[in-house]
Amino acid sequence: GAVVSQHPSRVICKSGTSVKIECRSLDFQATTMFWYRQFPKQSLMLMATSNEGSKATYEQGVEKDKFLINHASLTLSTLTVTSAHPEDSSFYICSASDRDGGTEAFFGQGTRLTVV
Amino acid sequence: AQTVTQSQPEMSVQEAETVTLSCTYDTSENNYYLFWYKQPPSRQMILVIRQEAYKQQNATENRFSVNFQKAAKSFSLKISDSQLGDTAMYFCAFTAYGNKLVFGAGTILRVKS
Repeated sequence: GAVVSQHPSRVICKSGTSVKIECRSLDFQATTMFWYRQFPKQSLMLMATSNEGSKATYEQGVEKDKFLINHASLTLSTLTVTSAHPEDSSFYICSASDRDGGTEAFFGQGTRLTVV
Repeated sequence: AQTVTQSQPEMSVQEAETVTLSCTYDTSENNYYLFWYKQPPSRQMILVIRQEAYKQQNATENRFSVNFQKAAKSFSLKISDSQLGDTAMYFCAFTAYGNKLVFGAGTILRVKS
């Protein structure tokens, strides 16, 4: 199957700073990528849909100014958590599909963010 | 709006035995895909099995099979000959063409030796 690489796998940052998480499709082009947040023993909560060359679509309740998404190329989407606070600590996962809808989504390894 | 319901928060099974995880969904779409994903302690999401709604035949992947009942909007996962490596959180998920994945709440499965 296709490979999605997410980096970093773990990051610790100080409160008030920003942190960037990268999601790369290594062997296919992804016009759409998705960003999820997951709390321990809970399901994946969709945060936003990242569209190459256009603005991301955010789910209701997700602060677009805090979670900045950029999808500048067909193989890279980034999520920047701005002015991070301890409550932003979570597990973030990206996914991408190798063609439009109705097919398998390939997931990155996830990023554990800890804000201290 | 589509919803996916997994009513079993936790389950356990003895090694080598069979276990079935339940999933129901709600949609007005006629064409869609259903998936079961496994998330082991590493937290990497792994596709277990997928089912196209237009196919009546139930999907099978080695020890994993589904019971897809389109009219009842039910999509259960059967794991045969359970192995210790099957211990994980399992998510049922739905997507219609061009849409994003909708996940159920998940079922934690523990395989005991």
